[in-house]
Amino acid sequence: DARVTQTPRHKVTEMGQEVTMRCQPILGHNTVFWYRQTMMQGLELLAYFRNRAPLDDSGMPKDRFSAEMPDATLATLKIQPSEPRDSAVYFCASGLVPGNQPQHFGDGTRLSIL
Amino acid sequence: AQTVTQSQPEMSVQEAETVTLSCTYDTSESDYYLFWYKQPPSRQMILVIRQEAYKQQNATENRFSVNFQKAAKSFSLKISDSQLGDAAMYFCAYRSAQGAQKLVFGQGTRLTINP
Repeated sequence: DARVTQTPRHKVTEMGQEVTMRCQPILGHNTVFWYRQTMMQGLELLAYFRNRAPLDDSGMPKDRFSAEMPDATLATLKIQPSEPRDSAVYFCASGLVPGNQPQHFGDGTRLSIL
Repeated sequence: AQTVTQSQPEMSVQEAETVTLSCTYDTSESDYYLFWYKQPPSRQMILVIRQEAYKQQNATENRFSVNFQKAAKSFSLKISDSQLGDAAMYFCAYRSAQGAQKLVFGQGTRLTINP
């Protein structure tokens, strides 16, 4: 089965450090989503791309977060500088839009900022 | 904007019994999809079942079925013959059939299975 691959699976770092999370979407999928999961806010959309173009990043704090798709096989989410409140699980999902098929999720990156 | 509400933060059920998880949503759209995802402690997001809004027939996947009431904007999940492996967080999610097709999630229901 095709899978969305996220790396790293876990990341622990100190406040102020740069964090980069990577996602390899399923081959052939044209849309990539980044979601964040916290106890307080639940699952919320940070950003998404269609055919590698950013369509909406209104869910991201612009001053410290950035999302890119340098090519069709790689999406990145960067935080610089990181803060303790960024601690969360970050999920990448990919899908084919338009269409009625569900998105496929990666296993997530658990990020802890000390 | 669409919203999804799960009013039961926690539920428990005896093994082999049936349990129903509630979900309501708010939208002005007529064409959309609804999903139930399961998240075990491994934190994977596993699709359990989905429903297309234009279909009147309730979706069924083995022991999992939904009660989709479009007029009431209700989408409950019934798990029959509960098994220990069903213990997880369950999220109800909405997706528009147009535009971004991003998922809007409810807050989740933690399901415990008692042996």
